[in-house]
Amino acid sequence: GQNIDQPTEMTATEGAIVQINCTYQTSGFNGLFWYQQHAGEAPTFLSYNVLDGLEEKGRFSSFLSRSKGYSYLLLKELQMKDSASYLCAVGSGNTPLVFGKGTRLSVIA
Amino acid sequence: DSGVTQTPKHLITATGQRVTLRCSPRSGDLSVYWYQQSLDQGLQFLIQYYNGEERAKGNILERFSAQQFPDLHSELNLSSLELGDSALYFCASSVDPSGSDEQYFGPGTRLTVT
Repeated sequence: GQNIDQPTEMTATEGAIVQINCTYQTSGFNGLFWYQQHAGEAPTFLSYNVLDGLEEKGRFSSFLSRSKGYSYLLLKELQMKDSASYLCAVGSGNTPLVFGKGTRLSVIA
Repeated sequence: DSGVTQTPKHLITATGQRVTLRCSPRSGDLSVYWYQQSLDQGLQFLIQYYNGEERAKGNILERFSAQQFPDLHSELNLSSLELGDSALYFCASSVDPSGSDEQYFGPGTRLTVT
């Protein structure tokens, strides 16, 4: 089976940096995805990691350590519009992506 | 815009009724996934179809069924509806059938059972 853990909620200040962690246990590993979901809207793709290391994309970066079953999403220069849920999802074998419950991020002034 | 379309956007119906949700995948995507998301809950995977065939099954109730048609659009049928079925239902599509590639989500159908 697969298990994905991420914090339920986080709060950060506008302009700051926040790190959202995700740990996973899976048999087989094909890659790890991060999605952003605003309330009542569809999830949208943010990043994909298949190899260890950091992937940077503008204000967002994602890190993966396969040996530790660990990833984080780093958001820099936080803006109010970044208030959303962030979903970690893991692909393994030939099974569909398994999504974590998501981390609800609140950005405050 | 992800390229995935879902209809209807909103649906209000009574307990015991039956509804059909429709999804058209992105052009070129053969895989379609259905998810249920209740209030403050994570995405619960229901079922996956690939090129017309059922490929994977998640936590889908027996009262629910789905199919994918030759033109690759998919329908999710929910019957004997209960209050607890009220949720957002998302459809997603991808190119790869393995499920380990990026999924593109439709805007969702919000189902309210009264």
